[in-house]
Amino acid sequence: DAGVTQSPTHLIKTRGQQVTLRCSPISGHKSVSWYQQVLGQGPQFIFQYYEKEERGRGNFPDRFSARQFPNYSSELNVNALLLGDSALYLCASSLALGPNQPQHFGDGTRLSIL
Amino acid sequence: GDSVTQMEGPVTLSEEAFLTINCTYTATGYPSLFWYVQYPGEGLQLLLKATKADDKGSNKGFEATYRKETTSFHLEKGSVQVSDSAVYFCALSDRDGGSQGNLIFGKGTKLSVKP
Repeated sequence: DAGVTQSPTHLIKTRGQQVTLRCSPISGHKSVSWYQQVLGQGPQFIFQYYEKEERGRGNFPDRFSARQFPNYSSELNVNALLLGDSALYLCASSLALGPNQPQHFGDGTRLSIL
Repeated sequence: GDSVTQMEGPVTLSEEAFLTINCTYTATGYPSLFWYVQYPGEGLQLLLKATKADDKGSNKGFEATYRKETTSFHLEKGSVQVSDSAVYFCALSDRDGGSQGNLIFGKGTKLSVKP
């Protein structure tokens, strides 16, 4: 079975631009979460979606938004890009919600802001 | 708020050496605890987990025991291999306050194993 897939794998943007990152969860998984991993740091939680509804939001500005589609895939949008948005963006899926549900990560999208 | 603290890296060991990576946590409730591993250029893979006090998670020769009294979840392996070279992340998922399982990660510990 395919794991979590993310696209694109790499992306280069300039300050002020907008970007959309995509994620397809493992088949049967209904929850998708997004994390930002700055170089040399652990991932930071951005959003969680379950059954197309936002179920959690981390401490990120309103420039960050996301949505989940009926097939449980998800998009993360970032507007007005800043240099500090350069990071690896990770998508994770899980079967359901809850603290005991292991999250399965994709390989990420590497976003570079020039 | 909740947090995870890991020992600073990098850690360099010779093959077949014993590994310990320390992890302590702060949480308002009774979290589930996880170790994830990240190989170069890849996403995170779940290595092991423990969901309640005194639980021992284990996988691929790695072990960690959930110690509520010391709020710790140290990762150990008796004999490391070159293929274990990676970055290891300790994480928690709090079950209180309506948490939906979002993970809080430590900063990661880079392990290099020399032949």
